[in-house]
Amino acid sequence: GENVEQHPSTLSVQEGDSAVIKCTYSDSASNYFPWYKQELGKRPQLIIDIRSNVGEKKDQRIAVTLNKTAKHFSLHITETQPEDSAVYFCAASKDTGFQKLVFGTGTRLLVSP
Amino acid sequence: EAGVVQSPRYKIIEKKQPVAFWCNPISGHNTLYWYRQNLGQGPELLIRYENEEAVDDSQLPKDRFSAERLKGVDSTLKIQPAELGDSAVYLCASSPPGGFGENTEAFFGQGTRLTVV
Repeated sequence: GENVEQHPSTLSVQEGDSAVIKCTYSDSASNYFPWYKQELGKRPQLIIDIRSNVGEKKDQRIAVTLNKTAKHFSLHITETQPEDSAVYFCAASKDTGFQKLVFGTGTRLLVSP
Repeated sequence: EAGVVQSPRYKIIEKKQPVAFWCNPISGHNTLYWYRQNLGQGPELLIRYENEEAVDDSQLPKDRFSAERLKGVDSTLKIQPAELGDSAVYLCASSPPGGFGENTEAFFGQGTRLTVV
């Protein structure tokens, strides 16, 4: 089955800096890669996703890149703000009409003012 | 639009006792998932429903866990008897039908934090 590894487990940055979180996956058939943000005690919420037919996707200060050959994808957050502090999870699944998301272990991002 | 609603939010029980969690998905979402999230880990899928049919329960510990979604809307997840290692957050999620086999976003509920003592 699919296995998703995520690094780093914790990331501390200063406000305004950029943050990068990286994930690798094992199943070459996976073609849908969402990123979820989970604030303490709250539900995971989708912040951006990418499908395997594109290499990069941007939404304001966040972007995701995908390298299918190397089977890795990354989340980039620019101009970080304290409210970006949360745990971020990457996930992978196959496009089969339903989701069987396999999540990474999460990255705790702390943005210091 | 109301989100995925779960209850209770918190539950503390003694080991060997039964416990049940309830989930009401977003209206119109035919796919419902139960995930378990251990402390410091990502969610792990326990079971997935398409309408009232459980189509993927390969990771559900069937000796003590059971789930149902009788009318294809609300769902309950039960543990009987609970063990200390079952302490975790149990998340319910739902997603709408996708077109042409594409995945659609999974919307999560707030979760039920279970503590087994």
